[in-house]
Amino acid sequence: DVKVTQSSRYLVKRTGEKVFLECVQDMDHENMFWYRQDPGLGLRLIYFSYDVKMKEKGDIPEGYSVSREKKERFSLILESASTNQTSMYLCASSFPADNEQFFGPGTRLTVL
Amino acid sequence: AQKVTQAQTEISVVEKEDVTLDCVYETRDTTYYLFWYKQPPSGELVFLIRRNSFDEQNEISGRYSWNFQKSTSSFNFTITASQVVDSAVYFCALSEGGTGFQKLVFGTGTRLLVSP
Repeated sequence: DVKVTQSSRYLVKRTGEKVFLECVQDMDHENMFWYRQDPGLGLRLIYFSYDVKMKEKGDIPEGYSVSREKKERFSLILESASTNQTSMYLCASSFPADNEQFFGPGTRLTVL
Repeated sequence: AQKVTQAQTEISVVEKEDVTLDCVYETRDTTYYLFWYKQPPSGELVFLIRRNSFDEQNEISGRYSWNFQKSTSSFNFTITASQVVDSAVYFCALSEGGTGFQKLVFGTGTRLLVSP
């Protein structure tokens, strides 16, 4: 079974803190993605990566950065968390020739 | 530009009723893929189906069926004899074809509530 895991299910941080969200997949997928999910807006792509050390901006990259040092791990970084970044964050992975994405359980982040 | 519209925000049915979730898409590509995902209360999106633009055949899987109509740019999802376990948020998504990376564009989701 494809497994995508995320480091935390729930996270509470304070405004201005640096926040790391970790995602690990065990299927040797080249592609990895970070989305945020908000009510009424569906899932929106923040960043994606198609290889180690490669990254591309998605639709809403402002306020976020990413890191991919190893193939199986893709980190989302909030350099200085703000209240408008309170959201559900979902990680996904896929093979490059296959557009079916496999999702992790999500991290619900609250920024106070 | 790609766009997916799920006009139904929330649907409530009683167990054993049939329910159809609508999905309308926009794309300029002739090659594309359509998806449905289910998000139960646990939060993880579960893949249900993928359809490519060249295959308009309807699909049935148990109580689930999908109706793909290119003429109306729709890819609707029907659950027959709904059950409480079907309660979830359902997302329709679109990916344009080609090699390498393909981005998924999601609709805003339809929350289905099935009561006993």
